[in-house]
Amino acid sequence: DTAVSQTPKYLVTQMGNDKSIKCEQNLGHDTMYWYKQDSKKFLKIMFSYNNKELIINETVPNRFSPKSPDKAHLNLHINSLELGDSAVYFCASSQVTGQGAWGYTFGSGTRLTVV
Amino acid sequence: ILNVEQSPQSLHVQEGDSTNFTCSFPSSNFYALHWYRWETAKSPEALFVMTLNGDEKKKGRISATLNTKEGYSYLYIKGSQPEDSATYLCASNTNAGKSTFGDGTTLTVKP
Repeated sequence: DTAVSQTPKYLVTQMGNDKSIKCEQNLGHDTMYWYKQDSKKFLKIMFSYNNKELIINETVPNRFSPKSPDKAHLNLHINSLELGDSAVYFCASSQVTGQGAWGYTFGSGTRLTVV
Repeated sequence: ILNVEQSPQSLHVQEGDSTNFTCSFPSSNFYALHWYRWETAKSPEALFVMTLNGDEKKKGRISATLNTKEGYSYLYIKGSQPEDSATYLCASNTNAGKSTFGDGTTLTVKP
């Protein structure tokens, strides 16, 4: 069973469109995240969300919005897509371990191409 | 150190060489340090989590150490193999609940 699953794996769309990327985790984790792999291949946090709190990276345009119907899902909705939004987007989840630390389990990524 | 920094940014070694790279992190409010292995076209996979000063972890030919007082961790790979080629990410957790990733060290092992 896939622990963190993202769909679609590839998404090609035109500028100006609105699209969503779905993420589901079956690990029972309490926090989910969206990361963007930027042009230099670095991972940059976009959002983190648990039942209590949504934390938004202030550099993320407000065209991007996370939507969480329940604890196991955190979808990423993007309005008015721009060429610069082309990237690989990773979903992840985490849970505090017995050591009080938490590690991430990542989805396989969604490669978004805006044309 | 305000952010998590990794060095070098990239590294090329010959098969059989041993290598190591560094993750530096803010020592104040430190809670845990994670290492991930990230192969091209795949997602990052957890290698180690360390919390205590002096912690050492080992998995096969890969090991890691932690110094929380000075704020650094080393990742060592003994006898590098081509399949070790990947980007190695570290991430620091603070006791305030914040996690920050470094930009990674990309290792290329030539046969």
